[in-house]
This record gives sequence, C-alpha cells and structure tokens, in this order.
Amino acid sequence: AQTVTQSQPEMSVQEAETVTLSCTYDTSESNYYLFWYKQPPSRQMILVIRQEAYKQQNATENRFSVNFQKAAKSFSLKISDSQLGDTAMYFCAVSGAGSYQLTFGKGTKLSVIP
Amino acid sequence: EAGVAQSPRYKIIEKRQSVAFWCNPISGHATLYWYQQILGQGPKLLIQFQNNGVVDDSQLPKDRFSAERLKGVDSTLKIQPAKLEDSAVYLCASSPNLRGQLNLVNTEAFFGQGTRLTVV
Repeated sequence: AQTVTQSQPEMSVQEAETVTLSCTYDTSESNYYLFWYKQPPSRQMILVIRQEAYKQQNATENRFSVNFQKAAKSFSLKISDSQLGDTAMYFCAVSGAGSYQLTFGKGTKLSVIP
Repeated sequence: EAGVAQSPRYKIIEKRQSVAFWCNPISGHATLYWYQQILGQGPKLLIQFQNNGVVDDSQLPKDRFSAERLKGVDSTLKIQPAKLEDSAVYLCASSPNLRGQLNLVNTEAFFGQGTRLTVV
C-alpha cells in the first residue's frame, strides 16, 4: 500500500520569488518513482518533474527542482522565479517500479501573486 | 503528437440514470487508466488496462461501474445507476509501457482533460 501526504492545502507566492511545496510518502516497494503533477483550471494533469528513488541526485527541470530525502520519505518541490502561469493545483504522487499506477496526495493550491 | 482525448467534457445527470465516458489514448500506448477525482482530493485509480486486458480493477465499484477497452485502443467507462457521490472528474491517462526494469526510461503517464460529472 502507498500513501502520500501534502500538508499544505494552499500556498501563495509573489511573482519572481521562490516557493517550496511539501510532500511525504510511504510505500512498501523497494523501487519506486516520485512525481509532481500540475493541474491548472483546464483540469489536465501535467507532469512537472519525476524522481527515481534509486537515484540519489535530486531531479531538476528548469525552474523546478526537488529535495528528495529517502530516509525521511520526503519529496518537496521548489519553484524558483515563480510565474503567473504556475498558478495551479500541485499533486505529489508515488508509483511502484512495476506499475504506472499513481497514488496521489490531496494537492496544494498554489497562487502566484503579481 | 496528439494527446489523450476524452469526451464529453461535462455531463449532468439525475441520480439513478446511466452515463458513459469515452477515452482515446495516445497512439501506441499500451496502458490505459481511468482515475476518479472527487472535488478537493487527488485522483484515485479506478481501473488499469494493458492492451485490452484488465491489470487492476480492485478499486472499481463493480456493482455500478464498468469499463472496457475493445481492440486495445479506445476505452469507455460506464456508470449505471449513478449516485450523488459519483459526482467527480473522471480522468483518462495512457502510458507506453509497464515498468519492469530499472533502466526503463519512459515513466510518464499522459492525462486527458477529464470529464466533469455532476449527479443531481
């Protein structure tokens, strides 16, 4: 069984500033993947960044980076130089290495303020 | 590359009525998923197909929900009869391969825009 906890229901950040979204997870899998998805009002889930648990190096994608602490089962997302288009729901998710099935957290609503 | 297509975008029905959703995955993607996203929550997997076979339907309420993926391409999800608590967004997603090896690189599921169902 897998669980994902996002403890921040809502957050806001000034445009061009940096914000960090928190996520903790639990899984019985020895190999697994972690994801951050963005869901704008259009409802389409868009992959922001992914991390293979067997890799120690934190993943980065342009302005997005993660802080992966495997022992603590923590997977936070840092957004640098926040833009108005970053306003959305952000979901943390985990999947076992043998399946693409995603277990999602409840999400964090991020608002970027001009 | 065309994305995952879903229809309709919105549907309003009365309780006890039936409804069907359609999904066309990305061409060549073997794996197809249906997720249910209730307002204020993250998506929850209902069913997973690999080609035209069911991989996991353990969270599908089989007394009222059914899904099929004929010919391993398009899929339909049906609810009959609908209940008020079925009001949600139904998301379809697809991915090209099941992961079995650590060296598989395509680990992304691609989502459609979803169908918002309101049961009144």
